[in-house]
Amino acid sequence: NAGVMQNPRHLVRRRGQEARLRCSPMKGHSHVYWYRQLPEEGLKFMVYLQKENIIDESGMPKERFSAEFPKEGPSILRIQQVVRGDSAAYFCASSSARTGLNQPQHFGDGTRLSIL
Amino acid sequence: GNSVTQMEGPVTLSEEAFLTINCTYTATGYPSLFWYVQYPGEGLQLLLKATKADDKGSNKGFEATYRKETTSFHLEKGSVQVSDSAVYFCALMLGSGGSNYKLTFGKGTLLTVNP
Repeated sequence: NAGVMQNPRHLVRRRGQEARLRCSPMKGHSHVYWYRQLPEEGLKFMVYLQKENIIDESGMPKERFSAEFPKEGPSILRIQQVVRGDSAAYFCASSSARTGLNQPQHFGDGTRLSIL
Repeated sequence: GNSVTQMEGPVTLSEEAFLTINCTYTATGYPSLFWYVQYPGEGLQLLLKATKADDKGSNKGFEATYRKETTSFHLEKGSVQVSDSAVYFCALMLGSGGSNYKLTFGKGTLLTVNP
C-alpha cells in the first residue's frame, strides 16, 4: 500500500552538475505535480504532468529545469548545471484524476537537494 | 494573484494548551481552503479542508472555519499534544477554472508542544 515514493531522500551536488529527482506516484495515479519549497518558504507549484504530457509548466524556471512523466517508469525532475539557489526541498504529489475537491493530491516525503 | 498569509512561527506551547494559527488569503476567484501538516522529515498530509463560506473542516481535534467576510481560515485545537509538533501549512485552491489543481501555500508555522 505504498504512497507517493520519491528518491533519493537527500541529494548533494556540486555547482554545475546535474540533479535528477524521481517520483513514483501512488498506484493507479496518473497525474503528477511537482512543488519546490525554498528555505523558510511555503511550497510553490512548478509543473503538472500526466502520462507523457506536460499540462502546465508555468511554475518552472525557464532555463535548466525540465520534467517528464513517461509511459513507463517514474516522473523525473531534472535540473541541469545546478546553482546554490537550487538548494531546496522538492515535493511530488499525485492524484487519480485531475485534482479537484474530491481528488486530493497525495504528497511524497520530498527530496532535499543541497548544492555545494 | 492568489496568496496565503499565515502567522509567523515558531509557536511553542505546553501540552493541553489551546492552539490558534491564523491564516488569511487573497484570491481572484472563490477558493477552497486547506490545512496541511508536515511532520519532521516527511511530506505533507492533508489535515482538513473547507470548500465554501461558513464550512467548518475538522479532523483529529483540529478545526477551521471558512470566513469569507474576513478572508480567513484560522486553525484551532482545544488541547494540543506533544505529537502535534509539526509544521502547519494553510493553502488554497481555486474551485473552478483552468488551473484548479494548483495549491497555493502559506510559508508554514512551526509548532512545538512541550510535555
